[in-house]
Amino acid sequence: KQEVTQIPAALSVPEGENLVLNCSFTDSAIYNLQWFRQDPGKGLTSLLLIQSSQREQTSGRLNASLDKSSGRSTLYIAASQPGDSATYLCARTGTYKYIFGTGTRLKVLA
Amino acid sequence: ETGVTQSPTHLIKTRGQQVTLRCSSQSGHNTVSWYQQALGQGPQFIFQYYREEENGRGNFPPRFSGLQFPNYSSELNVNALELDDSALYLCASSLGIRTSGTSGELFFGEGSRLTVL
Repeated sequence: KQEVTQIPAALSVPEGENLVLNCSFTDSAIYNLQWFRQDPGKGLTSLLLIQSSQREQTSGRLNASLDKSSGRSTLYIAASQPGDSATYLCARTGTYKYIFGTGTRLKVLA
Repeated sequence: ETGVTQSPTHLIKTRGQQVTLRCSSQSGHNTVSWYQQALGQGPQFIFQYYREEENGRGNFPPRFSGLQFPNYSSELNVNALELDDSALYLCASSLGIRTSGTSGELFFGEGSRLTVL
């Protein structure tokens, strides 16, 4: 069964901390790995897309890495801010569909 | 560039009724995917349309059906609503490549919140 697991399920940190969110998947035959942010009751906002041939992507304070051999991806958030508080979801693609994890709920305390 | 838009944003139905949700894809995108997200869960894939044809389907019963139009907008129809259909329904558009079977980067709308009483 193709599964995506995200650890931790919830995380609370003080403002300014650097943090790492983890995503693991069981099927290494992926095409893309995409990270999303979701605010309560809202849709998903794309943060970073890592294509299968890539190892990492960076955007501002965010850096995502992909290690297909170990079935893992990490999202690194530098110098966290209260505005980063949201649920972060990772998703891997197969042929036509994305399979999502259940997300990490992040709260950054001012 | 116009993003993905969905309508309606919220709706309430009763068991047994039918509902139609609508989605306009992002400009230049030819593929629309629909996902169901229950509270506290990750989105679950319902189906995908590529150039007006169903290109893949998740583990959802036939009462979940869809359409894609020539302008690449899409509808999700759910018949005989059940209480468990209460969820956030998300539409995502992308630039798909049929020959390789891959799905490009997904861009989501804000979703339609369906409550079934």
